[in-house]
Amino acid sequence: NAGVTQTPKFQVLKTGQSMTLQCAQDMNHNSMYWYRQDPGMGLRLIYYSASEGTTDKGEVPNGYNVSRLNKREFSLRLESAAPSQTSVYFCASSEALERGTQYFGPGTRLLVL
Amino acid sequence: LAKTTQPISMDSYEGQEVNITCSHNNIATNDYITWYQQFPSQGPRFIIQGYKTKVTNEVASLFIPADRKSSTLSLPRVSLSDTAVYYCLVAYSGAGSYQLTFGKGTKLSVIP
Repeated sequence: NAGVTQTPKFQVLKTGQSMTLQCAQDMNHNSMYWYRQDPGMGLRLIYYSASEGTTDKGEVPNGYNVSRLNKREFSLRLESAAPSQTSVYFCASSEALERGTQYFGPGTRLLVL
Repeated sequence: LAKTTQPISMDSYEGQEVNITCSHNNIATNDYITWYQQFPSQGPRFIIQGYKTKVTNEVASLFIPADRKSSTLSLPRVSLSDTAVYYCLVAYSGAGSYQLTFGKGTKLSVIP
């Protein structure tokens, strides 16, 4: 039981490049989330998926897109990376949206030059 | 607009009880409050959750007063390994959807 896994662990991009961050969970959870955490800052919700087939914007969705590929997988795409998107990205999952008991992955560190 | 507020930092000596308070306006009757612990270079880890009165587990207690405008995470007899950042998360309901709002985190430093 791996919990929540994220790939890659670390990535360097040039401004304007695109990339997709992958996330998978093996806990049969319905809800999945993407957060970003800037140095010394708290967590900000980018997008979430309450259940398979649905996605919704969080607090900071601009510059990102998401895909809930199936119940297990939830990907985050940066179409044209900007230095302001340099951050640590965390994926999380939970049984249900309203309970808030989220399990987090180890994070992806992204540096945009 | 839902807002979740907590102190930026706290210091405590080993063996003491630590209480960290989170303020949350516009919380509805059944909205859950969840606390997480985060160490450097790791993802947040679930500590405790509740929505009213008091909840206790093997590592912490969560106190929620009747007005539910704040909640307090209580860590009994902290040790050096409890040095971390603690986050409060509120799942605010309303208008047919949920707004998940983390506080900015409280950095707890445990002193020998």
